[in-house]
Amino acid sequence: GQQVMQIPQYQHVQEGEDFTTYCNSSTTLSNIQWYKQRPGGHPVFLIQLVKSGEVKKQKRLTFQFGEAKKNSSLHITATQTTDVGTYFCALSGNTGKLIFGQGTTLQVKP
Amino acid sequence: DAGVTQSPTHLIKTRGQHVTLRCSPISGHKSVSWYQQVLGQGPQFIFQYYEKEERGRGNFPDRFSARQFPNYSSELNVNALLLGDSALYLCASSLAPGSYEQYFGPGTRLTVT
Repeated sequence: GQQVMQIPQYQHVQEGEDFTTYCNSSTTLSNIQWYKQRPGGHPVFLIQLVKSGEVKKQKRLTFQFGEAKKNSSLHITATQTTDVGTYFCALSGNTGKLIFGQGTTLQVKP
Repeated sequence: DAGVTQSPTHLIKTRGQHVTLRCSPISGHKSVSWYQQVLGQGPQFIFQYYEKEERGRGNFPDRFSARQFPNYSSELNVNALLLGDSALYLCASSLAPGSYEQYFGPGTRLTVT
């Protein structure tokens, strides 16, 4: 079945530094969603990307969908302590079943 | 509007026992999905229900079952619990099946001893 690989698994940054997590698939994706899960919390929807080469921004967060629709990235500019958590990419098929990547856990040192 | 609610919050069971977890979706959402999240991993899809019918099933044994009620709430049942069933069980609701954003509840933390 479809799978998505997410790297890195962990990232420790100093507050103010940038952060990027990557999501890669061997097959073409119809769309990709990004979720954030705070420690002890539940996944919270961030965004969905559908179009080839799509770039969306949410304040300091920039989401990209690759031209071939096989990869995606989430970039955070000037991290803050509130950015701490695990970021998941997830494939969403026609049935709505989400296939999650392994996640990237971000730690931010103040 | 209330978000997705789940009960109970925490649960401790013994191997071989049975457990029922409950979920109420956001008002107006007709699709409910269940996920299992083991510590340090991403959520794994278990079931999706829409209009009281099963629309999808993940790679879980028959010990796992679920149903959706006329008011769109849902129950997840797990029989003959194993130690490996210890996990956070998440319920997510969406307007309908398909590529819609899913809203997750706080989860039920199940510990099997």
